[in-house]
Amino acid sequence: QKEVEQDPGPLSVPEGAIVSLNCTYSNSAFQYFMWYRQYSRKGPELLMYTYSSGNKEDGRFTAQVDKSSKYISLFIRDSQPSDSATYLCAMIPNSGYSTLTFGKGTMLLVSP
Amino acid sequence: ETGVTQSPTHLIKTRGQQVTLRCSSQSGHNTVSWYQQALGQGPQFIFQYYREEENGRGNFPPRFSGLQFPNYSSELNVNALELDDSALYLCASSSGPRDRRHLGSYEQYFGPGTRLTVT
Repeated sequence: QKEVEQDPGPLSVPEGAIVSLNCTYSNSAFQYFMWYRQYSRKGPELLMYTYSSGNKEDGRFTAQVDKSSKYISLFIRDSQPSDSATYLCAMIPNSGYSTLTFGKGTMLLVSP
Repeated sequence: ETGVTQSPTHLIKTRGQQVTLRCSSQSGHNTVSWYQQALGQGPQFIFQYYREEENGRGNFPPRFSGLQFPNYSSELNVNALELDDSALYLCASSSGPRDRRHLGSYEQYFGPGTRLTVT
């Protein structure tokens, strides 16, 4: 079992839809949770990060962490064609080195 | 503010050759991490450098080595290239290693990557 599981998609939605992207993880030591957006042939771009459980909102994006279920989510409201990209979840444990463990990424396609 | 830059953009090498990839960290950042991203996969951690010292290493063989310079730029060297080394190599910079008093140290900012093809 991989430490971080993420459905690769693709996930296709119409413009304006609410998008839900999810990751599950097995290592209970993960404490810091990030979401990155990666456009084709580009480096990942940090969207949001949260510490421990709870919600965090930034514009159209909301990140949720449920540590009891080892489940994190990213919601995108009023999705736009420019949101079409691969979304990667990443995590850092509570101790040791600050290295990111990534999921495989979910490809999102928002059609006009 | 200057972002993370990497060079070259693309590279084609033959199996058995050696390659050096370069990274300049974001202004104000002193920590550099290197990741390998195979097609259709998430990035995999190779190693991290802080103040010119290796500060953690992932599950990669010794033929993957690195350096960090006094200006915090960094190099990734790969010897005896194998076909499976074909991937996007990403460099990420951050403002320091783990520091619970400064959550910003957990934010890693990536460069555009170097796409390496081994034939």
